[in-house]
Amino acid sequence: SAVISQKPSRDICQRGTSLTIQCQVDSQVTMMFWYRQQPGQSLTLIATANQGSEATYESGFVIDKFPISRPNLTFSTLTVSNMSPEDSSIYLCSVAHTVNTEAFFGQGTRLTVV
Amino acid sequence: KQEVTQIPAALSVPEGENLVLNCSFTDSAIYNLQWFRQDPGKGLTSLLLIQSSQREQTSGRLNASLDKSSGRSTLYIAASQPGDSATYLCAVKSGATNKLIFGTGTLLAVQP
Repeated sequence: SAVISQKPSRDICQRGTSLTIQCQVDSQVTMMFWYRQQPGQSLTLIATANQGSEATYESGFVIDKFPISRPNLTFSTLTVSNMSPEDSSIYLCSVAHTVNTEAFFGQGTRLTVV
Repeated sequence: KQEVTQIPAALSVPEGENLVLNCSFTDSAIYNLQWFRQDPGKGLTSLLLIQSSQREQTSGRLNASLDKSSGRSTLYIAASQPGDSATYLCAVKSGATNKLIFGTGTLLAVQP
């Protein structure tokens, strides 16, 4: 298993500002992912965080808007840049040890942009 | 493109009832399928993971089955309790990538 600490748990931000979300795992993991869950919707993958290299973004998500860092095998950050009310969502960090093993999620960051 | 659908979207049952949640997917080339529980405004809690070579997995009152050829999985909850009230999500890990594709979720309410 893996225990994931995600910070902050929630925030209210002004439009045009940026927020950085942290994801800390209690053990080294191969794979780390960032998801977005818009109100009333299911989860959508934003990107795969790659250790020591640029993240791999899904269609519709770009690095300028969602820069991601992963300096080591236990930590990653997601920044939501130049926020607008449409960015109001729950952002979730997920990890897995290998392709075929169980995925674990953090408690999420509930972001409200006003 | 893999698509995952869950039926019903919402379900309300009296306490003690056994129930079944359904999940269907369009591409049978999957690594595994995972069921999650999500409480309002919270993250996801993993319930069961079924590998593509397996038919079912059990954990306590939960039993999940997988029929890859028909693109279906079911989550069976026995003797439901009010504490089971939550949104239940299924997700498949595509064989072409290592991404989890999520279903639309079933909102379960267990009435005391």
